[in-house]
Amino acid sequence: KAGVTQTPRYLIKTRGQQVTLSCSPISGHRSVSWYQQTPGQGLQFLFEYFSETQRNKGNFPGRFSGRQFSNSRSEMNVSTLELGDSALYLCASSPTGGKLFEKLFFGSGTQLSVL
Amino acid sequence: KNQVEQSPQSLIILEGKNCTLQCNYTVSPFSNLRWYKQDTGRGPVSLTIMTFSENTKSNGRYTATLDADTKQSSLHITASQLSDSASYICVVSDGGSYIPTFGRGTSLIVHP
Repeated sequence: KAGVTQTPRYLIKTRGQQVTLSCSPISGHRSVSWYQQTPGQGLQFLFEYFSETQRNKGNFPGRFSGRQFSNSRSEMNVSTLELGDSALYLCASSPTGGKLFEKLFFGSGTQLSVL
Repeated sequence: KNQVEQSPQSLIILEGKNCTLQCNYTVSPFSNLRWYKQDTGRGPVSLTIMTFSENTKSNGRYTATLDADTKQSSLHITASQLSDSASYICVVSDGGSYIPTFGRGTSLIVHP
């Protein structure tokens, strides 16, 4: 089975631009969650989608948004980029996003640099 | 505010030695605690998942313990290998919102 695929692997943008990141979950997985990882803050939860609905959201500004398609693929969008948005963006998938025992499978991430 | 603190921040050990990483949390209510291993440039990989009723869980040379009363967990690595060099992250999920709180990780370096 193919793992979680994130594209692009690297991205360079300038302040004020917007960016869209893509995540293809493991086949059969219906839950996709997104995370931001920076050296200063570590990993932080952005949001989770299940069956095209946002089920959970972390404490990030409205500039960060996402969506999930009927095939479970997900996109994350960041508008009006700021220097502080430079980070590794990770997505993870799981079969149902079940809370207690379900393992998350992470992609290798998209490294976003904002200049 | 939910918090997860990990110690030490970094650790250097010799190949073949054992080590123990610590995780203290203030997340409440508690849902589950997970340990992940993250290699440089890669996404985290799940090592163990524990719920309130579990005290110990093993995955090969990795053994995690959980003391829900003191809100502490540890990850013990036995007979370390060079491939164990990575960042180890403790994650605790809130039992109400199920939103995960991540620790900053412990960076482990195993020297030959």
